[in-house]
Amino acid sequence: NAGVTQTPKFQVLKTGQSMTLQCAQDMNHEYMSWYRQDPGMGLRLIHYSVGAGITDQGEVPNGYNVSRSTTEDFPLRLLSAAPSQTSVYFCASSWQGGNTIYFGEGSWLTVV
Amino acid sequence: GIQVEQSPPDLILQEGANSTLRCNFSDSVNNLQWFHQNPWGQLINLFYIPSGTKQNGRLSATTVATERYSLLYISSSQTTDSGVYFCAVKKRDTGFQKLVFGTGTRLLVSP
Repeated sequence: NAGVTQTPKFQVLKTGQSMTLQCAQDMNHEYMSWYRQDPGMGLRLIHYSVGAGITDQGEVPNGYNVSRSTTEDFPLRLLSAAPSQTSVYFCASSWQGGNTIYFGEGSWLTVV
Repeated sequence: GIQVEQSPPDLILQEGANSTLRCNFSDSVNNLQWFHQNPWGQLINLFYIPSGTKQNGRLSATTVATERYSLLYISSSQTTDSGVYFCAVKKRDTGFQKLVFGTGTRLLVSP
């Protein structure tokens, strides 16, 4: 059972480049979300989805796009990378009525 | 929005010592979880505990919802307990699991 899988694990981008962080879960969870973690801080919610075709903004959505075409996948797109987006990104999923949230192993992104 | 404060920010222990980590939150919540982030960055869910007390081996947690705090107890600490411990809460009137995280307690257990 793979759980929540994120790719890539490490990425270096140049300012202005675009890229997509992939997230897939095999637990048939309705809820999926993306968080970023900056040094010395807790995780902050970027975007979330309560089901296929439904997405919404979290606390820090600027500069990111998401879509949810299937239950399993929730990619995060950086449209034009900026150094301020250097961070560790975590994808998470959970049951609609569940109490526990499951995290992927993180994607380390550096924008130079 | 809801504020989550954790204390202490840093903690250094000798192996075998006990410790208490605290999480204060500023509003009513219906979801509170404790996570351990290991030195490799992996986030592991320790407890779902919006109220009451739970125990899992050497770890236990207590949440007093009416007083808006939660405590995580680590007994007989081991070097593998090192890492960052996060408290995360969800405000009562939000439908989605919009967890708000504290800034964490960084624990180092030395042999």
